Amino acid sequence: GAVVSQHPSWVICKSGTSVKIECRSLDFQATTMFWYRQFPKQSLMLMATSNEGSKATYEQGVGKDKFLINHASLTLSTLTVTSAHPEDSSFYICSAKAPGVDQPQHFGDGTRLSIL
Amino acid sequence: AQSVAQPEDQVNVAEGNPLTVKCTYSVSGNPYLFWYVQYPNRGLQFLLKYITGDNLVKGSYGFEAEFNKSQTSFHLKKPSALVSDSALYFCAVGVDKIIFGKGTRLHILP
Repeated sequence: GAVVSQHPSWVICKSGTSVKIECRSLDFQATTMFWYRQFPKQSLMLMATSNEGSKATYEQGVGKDKFLINHASLTLSTLTVTSAHPEDSSFYICSAKAPGVDQPQHFGDGTRLSIL
Repeated sequence: AQSVAQPEDQVNVAEGNPLTVKCTYSVSGNPYLFWYVQYPNRGLQFLLKYITGDNLVKGSYGFEAEFNKSQTSFHLKKPSALVSDSALYFCAVGVDKIIFGKGTRLHILP
């Protein structure tokens, strides 16, 4: 089946540093990738939609300068949390979707980000 | 606008009994419906989808879901629950951009 790899799975870093999270589709080409944020015991909140070769589309209230998204190839999208602060601590999950309206999103295992 | 509702925060079922996790949706046009499962500290795993066709959709791990257009529901079901089915279940609706329900925590009691 479709496999999405997300790395790293866990990050702890100091306030003010930038953190990059990678999302790879291992066995299919993903024209669209999505980045979500999940707070404890809550649902997923869509942050942005990333299309290969074009700028990401951010949801309302999500800062594009704070959360930099790059989708340079059909198998890789990255999310960089710039100048991270404790309030950015969360569980970040990516998903990838193959072309076709009937294709489901396939999710990575998530990245737990803790900012000290 | 599209939306999806999961009315139950938690569902408790004894092992071996049938289980149902409820989901209702609201869309304009034909619905694209999905069920996903999330285990602790993991991403979401795809269980099944409804696009068109038979109202009863079969998915992974013995799960199935019944699409009911008149009731705008897409309940997740399994004939005989396992303890390992205990997890967080999300119903979702959408085509490219999908909307998730708030999730239902399923507890299977040994």
